[in-house]
Amino acid sequence: GAGVSQSPSNKVTEKGKDVELRCDPISGHTALYWYRQSLGQGLEFLIYFQGNSAPDKSGLPSDRFSAERTGGSVSTLTIQRTQQEDSAVYLCASSDPGTSEQYFGPGTRLTVT
Amino acid sequence: AQSVTQLGSHVSVSEGALVLLRCNYSSSVPPYLFWYVQYPNQGLQLLLKYTSAATLVKGINGFEAEFKKSETSFHLTKPSAHMSDAAEYFCAVTKKTSYDKVIFGPGTSLSVIP
Repeated sequence: GAGVSQSPSNKVTEKGKDVELRCDPISGHTALYWYRQSLGQGLEFLIYFQGNSAPDKSGLPSDRFSAERTGGSVSTLTIQRTQQEDSAVYLCASSDPGTSEQYFGPGTRLTVT
Repeated sequence: AQSVTQLGSHVSVSEGALVLLRCNYSSSVPPYLFWYVQYPNQGLQLLLKYTSAATLVKGINGFEAEFKKSETSFHLTKPSAHMSDAAEYFCAVTKKTSYDKVIFGPGTSLSVIP
């Protein structure tokens, strides 16, 4: 079956530009996570959506970062006024809260020049 | 609040030797525990999970982990390392049967020496 998909797979942008990253979770998964992974580093939690509850935004590094999830399905992570330190792989994962097992997408590699 | 610690950010073992990657968790309620693996230039995938059935959990590629409540540990082992086991390993915890988010540890990079 279809897994978690993310688009674009790669994004190169100039410093100061806004970018939008998209995540399509597995159908029926009510939980959705965004993480950031810098080169050689671990997973940095960004934001967590669970059903219709208010999202847990405690991991967003600055107010330049925002995310939304429309209709309990597709999610978009927006980074405004990108900075070079935003360069990383952005990972999305979805899960069925009954199992909490996460399924990860392939990631979007963001490069800010 | 829940948390996960992984002792040793880098572990090196010889091919054929025992692999032991350590994970300790903190949780005020019964946990679900997970190990995920990330092979070089690949995405994360589930290796194994503990969800309150058997305390010794077997996963893919010959890995297993034992849940020890008294030690708040969930160490990952494999009797004999293969070169293909070189990867980043992440331990994770969440509350059992809840809608709480999953917390990941910082990861352990495993190198296998021929």
